[in-house]
Amino acid sequence: DAGVIQSPRHEVTEMGQEVTLRCKPISGHNSLFWYRQTMMRGLELLIYFNNNVPIDDSGMPEDRFSAKMPNASFSTLKIQPSEPRDSAVYFCASSIQGDEQYFGPGTRLTVT
Amino acid sequence: EDQVTQSPEALRLQEGESSSLNCSYTVSGLRGLFWYRQDPGKGPEFLFTLYSAGEEKEKERLKATLTKKESFLHITAPKPEDSATYLCAVQLRGGYNKLIFGAGTRLAVHP
Repeated sequence: DAGVIQSPRHEVTEMGQEVTLRCKPISGHNSLFWYRQTMMRGLELLIYFNNNVPIDDSGMPEDRFSAKMPNASFSTLKIQPSEPRDSAVYFCASSIQGDEQYFGPGTRLTVT
Repeated sequence: EDQVTQSPEALRLQEGESSSLNCSYTVSGLRGLFWYRQDPGKGPEFLFTLYSAGEEKEKERLKATLTKKESFLHITAPKPEDSATYLCAVQLRGGYNKLIFGAGTRLAVHP
């Protein structure tokens, strides 16, 4: 199995621009998670989906962040407009409900 | 408030020097406790899940244990390739799949 696939691996953008991060979960997994990791705050859950339905988005920092899961094999996390404080590593993870989560390699986002 | 605290923040060991990492938790109801390993520039890699007090799991030089208030990750005779950040996370009862992560312990093993 290819594991969780994320793209791009690195993104550098200017403040105010729209950023879209992409994730392909492991085939057969029905739960998908978006996390953000920074030195100051560690690993934080932003949102998770179960069977393509958003279950808990309480970790989404503000309305500039949105996430979609149009089908079982694809999800996006969008930031519009981006700000320097959004700079972080964003991870996608997937699991079979209730079991251990498998993480992707992450997207390192830098907003200048 | 549900909380996970890991200690120490950083640990430096000589190769072969055994030690333990601690993960203490205060939660409304625990469904499971997870240990992950994270190497620089990579995503966390799953190691163990523990579900009940007294449970133990082993993998090579690592052994994880669980009590009602904390978990330990014991590292026996570590090697330099064990250097990484070790994260623990709790999954709450009734909390679907949500994990709450601790800040991690950065382990450095020197030859």
